[in-house]
Amino acid sequence: EVQLLESGGGLVQTGGSLRLSCAASGFTFAGYAMSWVRQAPGKGLEWVSAISGSTGNTYYGDSVKGRFTISRDNSKNTLYLQMNSLRAEDTAVYYCAKGSGLRTTSDAFDMWGQGTVVTVSP
Amino acid sequence: AIRMTQSPSSFSASTGDRVTITCRASQDIGSYLAWYQQRPGKAPKLLISAASTLQSGVPSRFSGSGSGTDFTLTISGLQSEDFATYYCQQFFTYPLFGGGTRVEIK
Repeated sequence: EVQLLESGGGLVQTGGSLRLSCAASGFTFAGYAMSWVRQAPGKGLEWVSAISGSTGNTYYGDSVKGRFTISRDNSKNTLYLQMNSLRAEDTAVYYCAKGSGLRTTSDAFDMWGQGTVVTVSP
Repeated sequence: AIRMTQSPSSFSASTGDRVTITCRASQDIGSYLAWYQQRPGKAPKLLISAASTLQSGVPSRFSGSGSGTDFTLTISGLQSEDFATYYCQQFFTYPLFGGGTRVEIK
Protein backbone atom coordinates (compact mmCIF):
# COMPACT_ATOMS: atom_id res chain seq x y z
CA GLU A 1 0.00 0.00 0.00
CA VAL A 2 1.34 3.40 -0.98
CA GLN A 3 1.68 5.59 2.09
CA LEU A 4 3.06 9.03 2.86
CA LEU A 5 3.43 10.14 6.46
CA GLU A 6 4.40 13.71 7.29
CA SER A 7 5.87 14.90 10.56
CA GLY A 8 7.66 17.90 12.00
CA GLY A 9 4.91 20.49 12.05
CA GLY A 10 4.28 22.70 15.04
CA LEU A 11 4.13 26.21 16.44
CA VAL A 12 7.03 28.54 15.66
CA GLN A 13 7.60 32.25 15.98
CA THR A 14 7.99 34.60 13.04
CA GLY A 15 11.52 34.37 11.70
CA GLY A 16 12.00 30.88 13.07
CA SER A 17 12.76 27.60 11.33
CA LEU A 18 11.14 24.20 11.05
CA ARG A 19 11.97 20.99 9.21
CA LEU A 20 9.24 18.80 7.85
CA SER A 21 9.70 15.14 6.95
CA CYS A 22 7.65 12.78 4.83
CA ALA A 23 8.23 9.04 5.11
CA ALA A 24 7.22 7.12 2.01
CA SER A 25 6.41 3.45 1.60
CA GLY A 26 4.78 1.09 -0.87
CA PHE A 27 6.45 2.35 -4.04
CA THR A 28 9.90 2.87 -5.56
CA PHE A 29 10.58 6.23 -3.93
CA ALA A 30 13.59 7.16 -6.06
CA GLY A 31 11.57 6.70 -9.22
CA TYR A 32 9.19 9.59 -8.63
CA ALA A 33 9.31 13.32 -8.21
CA MET A 34 7.87 14.53 -4.92
CA SER A 35 6.31 17.82 -3.93
CA TRP A 36 5.13 19.80 -0.96
CA VAL A 37 1.72 21.45 -1.26
CA ARG A 38 0.21 23.66 1.44
CA GLN A 39 -3.23 24.87 2.38
CA ALA A 40 -3.73 27.91 4.58
CA PRO A 41 -6.72 27.81 6.93
CA GLY A 42 -9.93 28.06 4.90
CA LYS A 43 -8.01 28.59 1.67
CA GLY A 44 -7.15 26.65 -1.46
CA LEU A 45 -4.15 24.55 -2.41
CA GLU A 46 -0.75 26.08 -3.13
CA TRP A 47 2.18 24.16 -4.60
CA VAL A 48 5.33 24.94 -2.60
CA SER A 49 8.23 22.95 -3.97
CA ALA A 50 9.22 19.86 -5.94
CA ILE A 51 12.24 17.61 -6.28
CA SER A 52 12.93 15.15 -9.06
CA GLY A 53 13.37 11.47 -8.34
CA SER A 54 16.94 10.58 -9.07
CA THR A 55 18.74 13.75 -10.21
CA GLY A 56 17.54 15.79 -7.26
CA ASN A 57 16.67 18.84 -9.31
CA THR A 58 14.64 21.25 -7.21
CA TYR A 59 11.88 23.75 -7.96
CA TYR A 60 10.19 26.38 -5.79
CA GLY A 61 7.14 28.58 -5.79
CA ASP A 62 7.82 32.31 -5.76
CA SER A 63 6.41 32.73 -2.24
CA VAL A 64 9.03 30.46 -0.66
CA LYS A 65 12.03 30.81 -2.96
CA GLY A 66 15.17 31.62 -0.99
CA ARG A 67 13.60 30.62 2.35
CA PHE A 68 12.61 26.97 1.93
CA THR A 69 14.81 24.05 0.82
CA ILE A 70 13.47 20.73 -0.39
CA SER A 71 15.60 17.60 -0.24
CA ARG A 72 15.26 13.85 -0.24
CA ASP A 73 17.12 10.80 1.01
CA ASN A 74 16.31 7.95 -1.34
CA SER A 75 18.11 5.47 0.92
CA LYS A 76 15.64 6.33 3.68
CA ASN A 77 12.60 6.86 1.42
CA THR A 78 12.15 10.26 3.02
CA LEU A 79 11.34 13.73 1.72
CA TYR A 80 12.22 16.89 3.63
CA LEU A 81 11.32 20.56 3.66
CA GLN A 82 13.58 22.94 5.56
CA MET A 83 11.67 26.14 6.25
CA ASN A 84 13.59 29.22 7.35
CA SER A 85 12.60 32.84 7.95
CA LEU A 86 9.03 31.77 8.55
CA ARG A 87 6.24 34.31 8.21
CA ALA A 88 2.66 34.40 9.45
CA GLU A 89 1.48 33.73 5.89
CA ASP A 90 3.32 30.38 5.93
CA THR A 91 0.75 29.09 8.42
CA ALA A 92 -0.89 26.12 6.72
CA VAL A 93 -1.33 22.40 6.53
CA TYR A 94 1.64 21.04 4.59
CA TYR A 95 1.10 17.96 2.48
CA CYS A 96 3.71 15.86 0.77
CA ALA A 97 2.53 14.55 -2.56
CA LYS A 98 3.81 11.95 -5.00
CA GLY A 99 4.09 12.77 -8.68
CA SER A 100 2.13 10.47 -10.93
CA GLY A 101 5.05 9.97 -13.30
CA LEU A 102 3.20 11.41 -16.26
CA ARG A 103 5.68 14.28 -16.51
CA THR A 104 9.08 15.10 -15.01
CA THR A 105 9.33 18.74 -13.93
CA SER A 106 5.62 19.21 -13.27
CA ASP A 107 2.99 16.60 -12.63
CA ALA A 108 -0.33 15.59 -11.20
CA PHE A 109 -0.21 14.20 -7.67
CA ASP A 110 -1.61 10.70 -7.28
CA MET A 111 -0.90 10.19 -3.60
CA TRP A 112 -0.97 12.60 -0.67
CA GLY A 113 -0.02 12.37 2.97
CA GLN A 114 -2.41 13.29 5.75
CA GLY A 115 -0.70 16.65 6.26
CA THR A 116 1.19 18.32 9.09
CA VAL A 117 0.15 21.66 10.59
CA VAL A 118 2.57 24.56 10.70
CA THR A 119 1.56 27.62 12.71
CA VAL A 120 3.72 30.74 12.64
CA SER A 121 2.90 33.16 15.45
CA PRO A 122 3.58 36.90 15.09
CA ALA B 1 2.22 33.41 -15.50
CA ILE B 2 -0.67 31.04 -16.10
CA ARG B 3 -3.87 31.70 -14.19
CA MET B 4 -6.46 29.02 -13.42
CA THR B 5 -10.06 30.11 -12.93
CA GLN B 6 -12.70 27.72 -11.62
CA SER B 7 -16.41 28.37 -11.76
CA PRO B 8 -18.62 28.45 -9.92
CA SER B 9 -16.84 28.93 -6.60
CA SER B 10 -19.68 27.12 -4.86
CA PHE B 11 -23.16 25.81 -5.51
CA SER B 12 -25.87 23.65 -4.01
CA ALA B 13 -27.12 20.46 -5.58
CA SER B 14 -29.23 17.44 -4.73
CA THR B 15 -28.36 13.78 -4.69
CA GLY B 16 -28.82 12.37 -8.17
CA ASP B 17 -28.13 15.66 -9.95
CA ARG B 18 -25.73 15.93 -12.87
CA VAL B 19 -23.26 18.69 -12.08
CA THR B 20 -20.52 20.38 -14.08
CA ILE B 21 -17.56 22.37 -12.85
CA THR B 22 -15.52 24.50 -15.22
CA CYS B 23 -11.82 25.32 -15.17
CA ARG B 24 -10.25 27.84 -17.51
CA ALA B 25 -6.54 28.39 -18.06
CA SER B 26 -5.22 31.78 -19.14
CA GLN B 27 -3.12 30.12 -21.85
CA ASP B 28 -3.00 26.83 -23.73
CA ILE B 29 -1.99 23.99 -21.38
CA GLY B 30 -2.77 21.13 -23.75
CA SER B 31 -4.22 18.29 -21.71
CA TYR B 32 -2.01 18.85 -18.68
CA LEU B 33 -4.87 19.21 -16.26
CA ALA B 34 -5.90 17.24 -13.19
CA TRP B 35 -8.99 17.26 -10.98
CA TYR B 36 -9.01 16.58 -7.23
CA GLN B 37 -11.67 16.05 -4.61
CA GLN B 38 -11.11 17.23 -1.05
CA ARG B 39 -13.44 16.38 1.78
CA PRO B 40 -13.33 18.50 4.98
CA GLY B 41 -10.28 17.75 7.09
CA LYS B 42 -8.86 15.33 4.54
CA ALA B 43 -6.09 15.38 1.97
CA PRO B 44 -6.97 15.93 -1.67
CA LYS B 45 -7.62 12.88 -3.83
CA LEU B 46 -6.72 12.68 -7.50
CA LEU B 47 -9.80 11.93 -9.59
CA ILE B 48 -8.74 12.66 -13.15
CA SER B 49 -5.39 13.27 -14.82
CA ALA B 50 -4.48 14.37 -18.33
CA ALA B 51 -7.86 16.12 -18.57
CA SER B 52 -9.92 12.96 -19.02
CA THR B 53 -8.11 9.91 -17.60
CA LEU B 54 -10.05 8.50 -14.67
CA GLN B 55 -7.84 7.27 -11.87
CA SER B 56 -8.09 3.67 -10.74
CA GLY B 57 -10.84 3.18 -8.17
CA VAL B 58 -12.64 6.44 -8.96
CA PRO B 59 -16.33 5.87 -9.74
CA SER B 60 -17.32 6.16 -13.39
CA ARG B 61 -19.86 8.88 -12.59
CA PHE B 62 -16.87 11.24 -12.62
CA SER B 63 -15.65 12.37 -16.03
CA GLY B 64 -13.39 15.06 -17.38
CA SER B 65 -13.15 16.73 -20.74
CA GLY B 66 -11.47 19.59 -22.53
CA SER B 67 -8.10 20.66 -23.85
CA GLY B 68 -6.24 23.87 -24.45
CA THR B 69 -7.79 26.43 -22.13
CA ASP B 70 -11.26 25.11 -21.24
CA PHE B 71 -11.95 22.04 -19.12
CA THR B 72 -14.90 20.50 -17.32
CA LEU B 73 -15.45 18.01 -14.54
CA THR B 74 -18.85 16.31 -14.64
CA ILE B 75 -20.45 14.21 -11.94
CA SER B 76 -23.33 12.20 -13.36
CA GLY B 77 -25.62 11.31 -10.51
CA LEU B 78 -24.33 13.09 -7.42
CA GLN B 79 -23.93 10.83 -4.39
CA SER B 80 -23.82 11.87 -0.73
CA GLU B 81 -20.07 11.24 -0.56
CA ASP B 82 -19.49 13.62 -3.47
CA PHE B 83 -20.32 16.73 -1.46
CA ALA B 84 -16.84 18.19 -1.18
CA THR B 85 -14.54 20.80 -2.69
CA TYR B 86 -13.06 20.18 -6.13
CA TYR B 87 -9.85 21.66 -7.48
CA CYS B 88 -8.35 21.72 -10.94
CA GLN B 89 -4.57 21.84 -11.35
CA GLN B 90 -2.44 22.54 -14.39
CA PHE B 91 0.89 20.81 -14.80
CA PHE B 92 1.96 22.34 -18.09
CA THR B 93 4.28 24.60 -16.12
CA TYR B 94 4.93 24.61 -12.39
CA PRO B 95 1.87 23.16 -10.67
CA LEU B 96 -0.94 25.64 -10.15
CA PHE B 97 -4.35 24.98 -8.65
CA GLY B 98 -7.63 26.64 -9.36
CA GLY B 99 -9.45 28.37 -6.52
CA GLY B 100 -11.77 25.45 -5.82
CA THR B 101 -15.47 24.70 -6.19
CA ARG B 102 -17.46 23.75 -3.12
CA VAL B 103 -20.40 21.45 -3.79
CA GLU B 104 -22.97 21.67 -1.03
CA ILE B 105 -26.17 19.79 -0.30
CA LYS B 106 -29.34 21.61 -1.36
